[in-house]
Amino acid sequence: DAGVTQSPTHLIKTRGQHVTLRCSPISGHKSVSWYQQVLGQGPQFIFQYYEKEERGRGNFPDRFSARQFPNYSSELNVNALLLGDSALYLCASSLQANQPQHFGDGTRLSIL
Amino acid sequence: GQQLNQSPQSMFIQEGEDVSMNCTSSSIFNTWLWYKQDPGEGPVLLIALYKAGELTSNGRLTAQFGITRKDSFLNISASIPSDVGIYFCAGLMDGGSQGNLIFGKGTKLSVKP
Repeated sequence: DAGVTQSPTHLIKTRGQHVTLRCSPISGHKSVSWYQQVLGQGPQFIFQYYEKEERGRGNFPDRFSARQFPNYSSELNVNALLLGDSALYLCASSLQANQPQHFGDGTRLSIL
Repeated sequence: GQQLNQSPQSMFIQEGEDVSMNCTSSSIFNTWLWYKQDPGEGPVLLIALYKAGELTSNGRLTAQFGITRKDSFLNISASIPSDVGIYFCAGLMDGGSQGNLIFGKGTKLSVKP
């Protein structure tokens, strides 16, 4: 069975641009969460969606937004990119919102 | 952002050695998780713990959920070269209808030169 898949794997943007990252959860998983991981740190929680509704939001500015589609896939959008947004963006899925999460391999975002 | 206190930050292993690492928090968690991350990949779930005092094994890995629910421990017995990587503890903030993970900074396992 396919695990969590994310696209693209790598992305280079310049300051001020906008980016959309995509995630497909494990089949049957209804919850998708997004995390930001900078070098040398553990992942930081950005959003959780369950049954297409936002269930949790981390301490990130309003430039970050997300949504979940009827097939449970999800998009993370970041507007007005800053140099500090350079990071690995991880998507994780779980059967239910309060159950252990399984991660994809992430999208490496570089801001120039 | 909030992070758990994970130690040691790094350690060197020789094949066959046992390895121990731990994680502490000021908050209580109902679920503790341990992940391993290899370069260029996402974290892979190793062990999930659901009950205070619980001891769970996955092959050569054994993890424990602390009695206070504020800490957890991971042991690796008879280490092998493929154990090299970064190990993260994570507490699941369980709000009933939602659950986000709070991670430690990781313990980096490397091979002794």
